[in-house]
Amino acid sequence: GDSVTQMEGPVTLSEEAFLTINCTYTATGYPSLFWYVQYPGEGLQLLLKATKADDKGSNKGFEATYRKETTSFHLEKGSVQVSDSAVYFCALSAYSGGYQKVTFGTGTKLQVIP
Amino acid sequence: DSGVTQTPKHLITATGQRVTLRCSPRSGDLSVYWYQQSLDQGLQFLIQYYNGEERAKGNILERFSAQQFPDLHSELNLSSLELGDSALYFCASSLMDQETQYFGPGTRLLVL
Repeated sequence: GDSVTQMEGPVTLSEEAFLTINCTYTATGYPSLFWYVQYPGEGLQLLLKATKADDKGSNKGFEATYRKETTSFHLEKGSVQVSDSAVYFCALSAYSGGYQKVTFGTGTKLQVIP
Repeated sequence: DSGVTQTPKHLITATGQRVTLRCSPRSGDLSVYWYQQSLDQGLQFLIQYYNGEERAKGNILERFSAQQFPDLHSELNLSSLELGDSALYFCASSLMDQETQYFGPGTRLLVL
């Protein structure tokens, strides 16, 4: 079945450091890929998405590129802020058994220190 | 604000009891999803409803059940509660089988 693998957390960075959170996936067909973010005490919210190979999703300074050849969708940000501290979930969506099925990774906690 | 509402925000109950969690999807969304988030198991997909009918099942225990009503709100029923059922329960909605899901703020359940 479909699966998403994320790097283990927590990831601790100093403010203004470069961020990479790795995400790889296994899926049949052509999934769409997502990053969701969960701030403390809140539900998940969509951060960015990409629907086909070589697409780049971007939002709030975060970027991720859909790499079909390496089955990856790594999340990057050039300069993190304390306010980026949250849990980040990689996810894929693909048709399976006649319906759209979403599979989430386990989440990576990011802590940014001043 | 995602437009998805969940009640109650917090729930404290005892082992063996039964509770009902409620979710109202975003206006116009036909699909509702339920997830359980615990510290040791991460985000687990439980079940999906689409326009009143069960669409997909994940790791949902037999003690748990859900339904979606004609007005599209959904309820998750948890019975014979155990300590291990303590978790955050999220509801999400999407337009038909569109891919982006919009999450509610969650219900925090504590079983004592």
